[in-house]
Amino acid sequence: QKEVEQDPGPLSVPEGAIVSLNCTYSNSAFQYFMWYRQYSRKGPELLMYTYSSGNKEDGRFTAQVDKSSKYISLFIRDSQPSDSATYLCAMSPSNNAGNMLTFGGGTRLMVKP
Amino acid sequence: NAGVTQTPKFQVLKTGQSMTLQCAQDMNHNSMYWYRQDPGMGLRLIYYSASEGTTDKGEVPNGYNVSRLNKREFSLRLESAAPSQTSVYFCASSTWTGFNEQFFGPGTRLTVL
Repeated sequence: QKEVEQDPGPLSVPEGAIVSLNCTYSNSAFQYFMWYRQYSRKGPELLMYTYSSGNKEDGRFTAQVDKSSKYISLFIRDSQPSDSATYLCAMSPSNNAGNMLTFGGGTRLMVKP
Repeated sequence: NAGVTQTPKFQVLKTGQSMTLQCAQDMNHNSMYWYRQDPGMGLRLIYYSASEGTTDKGEVPNGYNVSRLNKREFSLRLESAAPSQTSVYFCASSTWTGFNEQFFGPGTRLTVL
């Protein structure tokens, strides 16, 4: 069983919909939680990160962490066609230099105009 | 700033051939990383260099070697390529500024026949 599980999708939604992307994990040592966005044939780019449990909001994006359930979510409000990409969750037990990230397999999102 | 650059963008090898993937960053980052990305597997860390002069194994180091040539450059070498090494390879770099955000290059698509 992988340490971090993520539904591969694809997830297809109409423009303007609220999107929910999720990951589950098994390692209780994870403290830092990240969401990366990856456009086709590009490298991943960091969208948001959170430390421990709670919510964090940045514009149309909200990240949630529930450590008791080992479950993290990314919500996208008012989704746009430009949000079409693969979304990767990543986790780490620390924030040190050279820290190792453990990634989920990614969820492909398609937002239709 | 170019950020993280990788060469080549594409490469086709025959089984048993060797090659070196090059990575350079111009952000004065201390840490550099090599990942591979396979369908449904997310990104898996091959090797990393927390600082100039140090390298460490990641999750999947077998069949690879690395060299941290200087602060800017971190190369990945396949000594005897195998079909199982067909993948997309990403280089990343980071430095600690409150959060150890990793910045990714555009990737190298490698096919081993």
